[in-house]
Amino acid sequence: EAGVTQSPTHLIKTRGQQATLRCSPISGHTSVYWYQQALGLGLQFLLWYDEGEERNRGNFPPRFSGRQFPNYSSELNVNALELEDSALYLCASSPGTQGWGYTFGSGTRLTVV
Amino acid sequence: AQSVTQLDSQVPVFEEAPVELRCNYSSSVSVYLFWYVQYPNQGLQLLLKYLSGSTLVKGINGFEAEFNKSQTSFHLRKPSVHISDTAEYFCAVIPGGSYIPTFGRGTSLIVHP
Repeated sequence: EAGVTQSPTHLIKTRGQQATLRCSPISGHTSVYWYQQALGLGLQFLLWYDEGEERNRGNFPPRFSGRQFPNYSSELNVNALELEDSALYLCASSPGTQGWGYTFGSGTRLTVV
Repeated sequence: AQSVTQLDSQVPVFEEAPVELRCNYSSSVSVYLFWYVQYPNQGLQLLLKYLSGSTLVKGINGFEAEFNKSQTSFHLRKPSVHISDTAEYFCAVIPGGSYIPTFGRGTSLIVHP
């Protein structure tokens, strides 16, 4: 069974540009979660999608947005990139709304220069 | 808001020695508790979880953790570590009524030969 896949693995962008990160959940998982892992800050919750709808949002500005497609894959968009957006972005999926079924992907390393 | 404190940012230990990684959380009526491990350049992998029942939880790779409600702690232990246990370890908590885990900042376990 394929795990949670994220693409691209690495992404380098210039300040002010937009970045798009993608996540494919495990087959049968309907919930997708996005986390930002910045150096020394642990994992900060960004967004939660379930059945195509945004269910919850962390304490991040509106330039962080996303969506979930009918096949449950998800996209995270970061507009007007700032240097401090440089981080590892992790996606996780779960079979329902309970957070204890999490499976994480390997992440996308975003570097803003 | 729920908070999770991992008291040690770094724990150095020699191979075959025992180790304890500490985790405390802010009080809540009921909680679900988790430990995750992150190897370099990878996502997070679930080590173990406490949902209910016995307060001593056994996980993968020989790790175990004990839920102590009165001390609001969920410390992770292993009686004898290996070089391969070198990784970042994250404690996470889901408070009752919530679906989103709150993660600690992580503890870097460094196993020396």
